[in-house]
Amino acid sequence: QKEVEQDPGPLSVPEGAIVSLNCTYSNSAFQYFMWYRQYSRKGPELLMYTYSSGNKEDGRFTAQVDKSSKYISLFIRDSQPSDSATYLCAMTSYGNKLVFGAGTILRVKS
Amino acid sequence: EAGVVQSPRYKIIEKKQPVAFWCNPISGHNTLYWYLQNLGQGPELLIRYENEEAVDDSQLPKDRFSAERLKGVDSTLKIQPAELGDSAVYLCASSLGSRVSEDTQYFGPGTRLTVL
Repeated sequence: QKEVEQDPGPLSVPEGAIVSLNCTYSNSAFQYFMWYRQYSRKGPELLMYTYSSGNKEDGRFTAQVDKSSKYISLFIRDSQPSDSATYLCAMTSYGNKLVFGAGTILRVKS
Repeated sequence: EAGVVQSPRYKIIEKKQPVAFWCNPISGHNTLYWYLQNLGQGPELLIRYENEEAVDDSQLPKDRFSAERLKGVDSTLKIQPAELGDSAVYLCASSLGSRVSEDTQYFGPGTRLTVL
Protein backbone atom coordinates (compact mmCIF):
# COMPACT_ATOMS: atom_id res chain seq x y z
CA GLN A 1 0.00 0.00 0.00
CA LYS A 2 1.27 3.45 -0.91
CA GLU A 3 1.85 6.03 1.82
CA VAL A 4 -0.32 8.53 -0.07
CA GLU A 5 -3.36 7.55 -2.11
CA GLN A 6 -4.97 9.83 -4.67
CA ASP A 7 -7.69 9.04 -7.20
CA PRO A 8 -6.17 9.58 -10.67
CA GLY A 9 -9.47 10.66 -12.28
CA PRO A 10 -9.93 12.14 -14.75
CA LEU A 11 -12.46 14.41 -13.10
CA SER A 12 -14.54 16.35 -15.62
CA VAL A 13 -16.69 19.29 -14.48
CA PRO A 14 -18.50 22.20 -16.15
CA GLU A 15 -17.14 25.71 -15.82
CA GLY A 16 -18.24 27.35 -12.58
CA ALA A 17 -18.55 24.10 -10.63
CA ILE A 18 -17.05 23.49 -7.21
CA VAL A 19 -14.29 20.90 -7.41
CA SER A 20 -13.23 18.63 -4.57
CA LEU A 21 -9.90 16.83 -4.75
CA ASN A 22 -8.77 14.44 -2.05
CA CYS A 23 -5.87 12.40 -0.71
CA THR A 24 -5.59 9.86 2.07
CA TYR A 25 -2.39 8.88 3.80
CA SER A 26 -1.14 6.25 6.19
CA ASN A 27 1.83 7.88 7.92
CA SER A 28 0.63 9.60 11.09
CA ALA A 29 3.94 11.49 11.33
CA PHE A 30 3.04 13.72 8.36
CA GLN A 31 2.46 17.29 9.52
CA TYR A 32 3.10 19.43 6.43
CA PHE A 33 0.64 19.19 3.56
CA MET A 34 0.81 20.74 0.11
CA TRP A 35 -1.10 20.86 -3.12
CA TYR A 36 0.73 21.29 -6.40
CA ARG A 37 -0.72 22.01 -9.83
CA GLN A 38 0.99 20.56 -12.89
CA TYR A 39 0.09 21.62 -16.42
CA SER A 40 0.91 19.32 -19.31
CA ARG A 41 4.64 19.31 -20.18
CA LYS A 42 5.41 21.57 -17.19
CA GLY A 43 6.81 21.06 -13.72
CA PRO A 44 4.60 21.14 -10.60
CA GLU A 45 3.95 24.51 -8.96
CA LEU A 46 2.95 24.99 -5.34
CA LEU A 47 -0.68 26.05 -4.84
CA MET A 48 -1.39 25.61 -1.15
CA TYR A 49 0.62 24.83 1.97
CA THR A 50 -0.87 23.80 5.31
CA TYR A 51 0.77 22.88 8.56
CA SER A 52 -1.04 20.35 10.77
CA SER A 53 -4.86 20.34 10.82
CA GLY A 54 -7.34 22.98 9.78
CA ASN A 55 -8.39 25.03 6.79
CA LYS A 56 -6.54 27.52 4.65
CA GLU A 57 -8.11 29.72 2.01
CA ASP A 58 -6.46 31.56 -0.87
CA GLY A 59 -8.78 33.13 -3.41
CA ARG A 60 -10.83 30.39 -5.06
CA PHE A 61 -8.80 27.64 -3.37
CA THR A 62 -9.38 26.09 0.07
CA ALA A 63 -7.19 23.40 1.58
CA GLN A 64 -8.44 21.24 4.43
CA VAL A 65 -6.51 18.81 6.60
CA ASP A 66 -8.12 16.25 8.90
CA LYS A 67 -5.29 14.49 10.67
CA SER A 68 -7.62 12.31 12.73
CA SER A 69 -8.92 10.75 9.51
CA LYS A 70 -5.61 11.07 7.62
CA TYR A 71 -7.47 12.88 4.87
CA ILE A 72 -6.73 16.11 3.01
CA SER A 73 -8.82 18.02 0.49
CA LEU A 74 -8.50 20.84 -1.99
CA PHE A 75 -11.62 22.74 -3.01
CA ILE A 76 -11.74 24.95 -6.08
CA ARG A 77 -14.67 27.37 -6.31
CA ASP A 78 -15.98 28.81 -9.59
CA SER A 79 -13.73 26.48 -11.59
CA GLN A 80 -12.31 27.83 -14.86
CA PRO A 81 -11.02 26.08 -17.99
CA SER A 82 -7.58 27.39 -16.99
CA ASP A 83 -7.80 25.20 -13.87
CA SER A 84 -7.57 22.11 -16.12
CA ALA A 85 -4.39 20.39 -14.96
CA THR A 86 -3.13 17.56 -12.78
CA TYR A 87 -3.35 18.25 -9.05
CA LEU A 88 -0.79 16.53 -6.84
CA CYS A 89 -0.99 16.32 -3.08
CA ALA A 90 2.30 16.12 -1.21
CA MET A 91 3.17 15.73 2.44
CA THR A 92 6.07 15.24 4.80
CA SER A 93 7.22 15.15 8.36
CA TYR A 94 9.92 17.52 9.60
CA GLY A 95 13.26 17.02 7.90
CA ASN A 96 12.08 14.31 5.52
CA LYS A 97 11.44 14.18 1.81
CA LEU A 98 8.16 15.12 0.20
CA VAL A 99 5.89 12.18 -0.59
CA PHE A 100 3.58 12.88 -3.52
CA GLY A 101 0.29 11.35 -4.50
CA ALA A 102 -0.15 10.08 -8.04
CA GLY A 103 -2.13 13.16 -9.05
CA THR A 104 -5.74 13.75 -10.14
CA ILE A 105 -6.40 14.94 -13.69
CA LEU A 106 -9.00 17.74 -13.70
CA ARG A 107 -10.81 18.91 -16.82
CA VAL A 108 -13.02 21.98 -16.65
CA LYS A 109 -15.31 22.25 -19.67
CA SER A 110 -16.40 25.66 -20.97
CA GLU B 1 13.33 36.35 -12.64
CA ALA B 2 14.21 33.18 -14.52
CA GLY B 3 12.91 29.92 -13.13
CA VAL B 4 14.66 26.58 -12.93
CA VAL B 5 16.21 25.78 -16.29
CA GLN B 6 16.63 22.22 -17.53
CA SER B 7 18.12 20.83 -20.70
CA PRO B 8 17.55 19.03 -22.88
CA ARG B 9 13.74 19.07 -22.77
CA TYR B 10 13.50 15.79 -24.65
CA LYS B 11 15.97 12.96 -25.17
CA ILE B 12 15.61 9.68 -27.07
CA ILE B 13 18.35 7.09 -26.72
CA GLU B 14 18.95 3.41 -27.30
CA LYS B 15 19.17 1.16 -24.25
CA LYS B 16 22.66 0.73 -22.81
CA GLN B 17 23.65 4.22 -23.98
CA PRO B 18 24.67 6.93 -21.49
CA VAL B 19 22.60 10.10 -21.00
CA ALA B 20 23.03 13.28 -19.00
CA PHE B 21 20.60 15.95 -17.83
CA TRP B 22 21.52 19.47 -16.78
CA CYS B 23 19.82 21.80 -14.31
CA ASN B 24 20.39 25.45 -13.45
CA PRO B 25 18.48 26.42 -10.30
CA ILE B 26 17.01 29.79 -9.44
CA SER B 27 19.78 32.22 -8.56
CA GLY B 28 20.60 32.14 -4.86
CA HIS B 29 18.83 28.86 -4.17
CA ASN B 30 21.08 26.68 -2.05
CA THR B 31 19.06 23.48 -2.16
CA LEU B 32 18.64 21.48 -5.34
CA TYR B 33 16.53 18.37 -5.91
CA TRP B 34 16.34 15.78 -8.67
CA TYR B 35 13.06 13.90 -9.00
CA LEU B 36 11.86 11.09 -11.22
CA GLN B 37 8.26 11.20 -12.46
CA ASN B 38 6.82 8.16 -14.15
CA LEU B 39 3.72 8.48 -16.31
CA GLY B 40 0.62 8.82 -14.15
CA GLN B 41 2.64 9.09 -10.94
CA GLY B 42 3.86 11.84 -8.67
CA PRO B 43 7.52 12.88 -8.48
CA GLU B 44 9.87 10.71 -6.42
CA LEU B 45 13.03 12.14 -4.93
CA LEU B 46 16.33 10.83 -6.32
CA ILE B 47 18.80 13.15 -4.61
CA ARG B 48 18.92 16.40 -2.64
CA TYR B 49 21.86 18.80 -2.49
CA GLU B 50 22.58 21.51 0.02
CA ASN B 51 25.17 23.62 -1.78
CA GLU B 52 27.72 21.07 -3.08
CA GLU B 53 26.85 18.34 -0.59
CA ALA B 54 24.48 15.49 -1.39
CA VAL B 55 22.52 15.29 1.87
CA ASP B 56 19.95 12.69 0.76
CA ASP B 57 20.81 10.24 -2.01
CA SER B 58 19.16 7.21 -0.47
CA GLN B 59 16.76 6.81 -3.43
CA LEU B 60 19.42 7.16 -6.14
CA PRO B 61 20.19 3.82 -7.86
CA LYS B 62 23.92 4.17 -7.56
CA ASP B 63 24.81 1.28 -9.83
CA ARG B 64 23.79 3.30 -12.89
CA PHE B 65 22.89 6.81 -11.72
CA SER B 66 25.28 9.52 -10.65
CA ALA B 67 24.90 13.21 -9.94
CA GLU B 68 27.10 16.15 -9.20
CA ARG B 69 26.70 19.77 -8.23
CA LEU B 70 30.05 21.43 -8.67
CA LYS B 71 30.42 24.90 -7.12
CA GLY B 72 26.97 24.54 -5.58
CA VAL B 73 25.07 25.96 -8.54
CA ASP B 74 24.43 23.87 -11.68
CA SER B 75 23.85 20.16 -11.41
CA THR B 76 24.13 17.20 -13.75
CA LEU B 77 22.35 13.86 -13.44
CA LYS B 78 23.76 10.95 -15.43
CA ILE B 79 22.53 7.48 -16.28
CA GLN B 80 24.98 4.89 -17.58
CA PRO B 81 23.89 2.56 -19.02
CA ALA B 82 20.24 3.45 -19.59
CA GLU B 83 17.58 0.75 -19.36
CA LEU B 84 14.09 0.63 -20.85
CA GLY B 85 12.57 1.23 -17.41
CA ASP B 86 14.38 4.56 -17.11
CA SER B 87 11.93 6.15 -19.55
CA ALA B 88 10.34 8.93 -17.49
CA VAL B 89 10.43 12.67 -16.82
CA TYR B 90 13.39 13.87 -14.77
CA LEU B 91 12.51 16.99 -12.81
CA CYS B 92 14.88 19.40 -11.13
CA ALA B 93 13.69 21.69 -8.33
CA SER B 94 15.36 24.26 -6.13
CA SER B 95 14.55 26.06 -2.89
CA LEU B 96 16.07 29.03 -1.11
CA GLY B 97 16.51 27.26 2.20
CA SER B 98 17.12 23.69 3.29
CA ARG B 99 13.90 23.05 5.25
CA VAL B 100 12.20 20.47 3.05
CA SER B 101 8.94 20.77 4.96
CA GLU B 102 8.74 24.56 4.86
CA ASP B 103 10.75 26.02 1.99
CA THR B 104 8.90 26.18 -1.31
CA GLN B 105 10.35 24.00 -4.03
CA TYR B 106 10.31 25.50 -7.52
CA PHE B 107 10.31 22.95 -10.31
CA GLY B 108 11.77 23.11 -13.77
CA PRO B 109 9.87 21.81 -16.82
CA GLY B 110 11.68 18.48 -16.75
CA THR B 111 13.55 16.35 -19.26
CA ARG B 112 11.46 13.68 -20.91
CA LEU B 113 13.63 10.60 -21.51
CA THR B 114 12.63 7.81 -23.87
CA VAL B 115 14.81 4.69 -23.93
CA LEU B 116 14.30 2.46 -26.97
